Amino acid sequence: QKEVEQDPGPLSVPEGAIVSLNCTYSNSAFQYFMWYRQYSRKGPELLMYTYSSGNKEDGRFTAQVDKSSKYISLFIRDSQPSDSATYLCAMGRSGNTGKLIFGQGTTLQVKP
Amino acid sequence: DTGVSQDPRHKITKRGQNVTFRCDPISEHNRLYWYRQTLGQGPEFLTYFQNEAQLEKSRLLSDRFSAERPKGSFSTLEIQRTEQGDSAMYLCASSLDKTYNEQFFGPGTRLTVL
Repeated sequence: QKEVEQDPGPLSVPEGAIVSLNCTYSNSAFQYFMWYRQYSRKGPELLMYTYSSGNKEDGRFTAQVDKSSKYISLFIRDSQPSDSATYLCAMGRSGNTGKLIFGQGTTLQVKP
Repeated sequence: DTGVSQDPRHKITKRGQNVTFRCDPISEHNRLYWYRQTLGQGPEFLTYFQNEAQLEKSRLLSDRFSAERPKGSFSTLEIQRTEQGDSAMYLCASSLDKTYNEQFFGPGTRLTVL
């Protein structure tokens, strides 16, 4: 079993829809939770960075962490065609290590 | 541009050849990471440096791979005797010490081994 599970999709939605992307994980030592956006043949771009449980909002993006369920989500409101990309969740531990564990990535297509 | 830069962006080589990639981190970041990403997968950790010290290496980093960061600034990743299975995107990231999980990635070097 992988430490981080993410449905690869693809997920196709109409422009303006609310998108929900999710990851589950098995290691309770994870304390830091990130979402990255990756366009085709480009490097990952950091979208959201959160510590422990709770919500964080940044513009059209909201990240949620539920540590009791080992479940994290990224919501995109008013989705745009430019949001079409692969979204990667990533997790890290406390304790001075720098190793991030990534999900497989979910491919999102927003149709005009 | 003050982001992470990588060179070259693309490399095509024949099996058995050696290749070297370079990464320049964000200037004030003292941590530097290397990851590898294959098609349809998320990045996988290879190794990381705090200043010039290499502090952790993944089991993915076979003895054909070596990474250096001699002066705590840029880093190089060398692959000796390349194999077709080495074909992947090699990603570099950097961070500050105090927010080491907040990592910023470069554009990657795409390696194709023929």
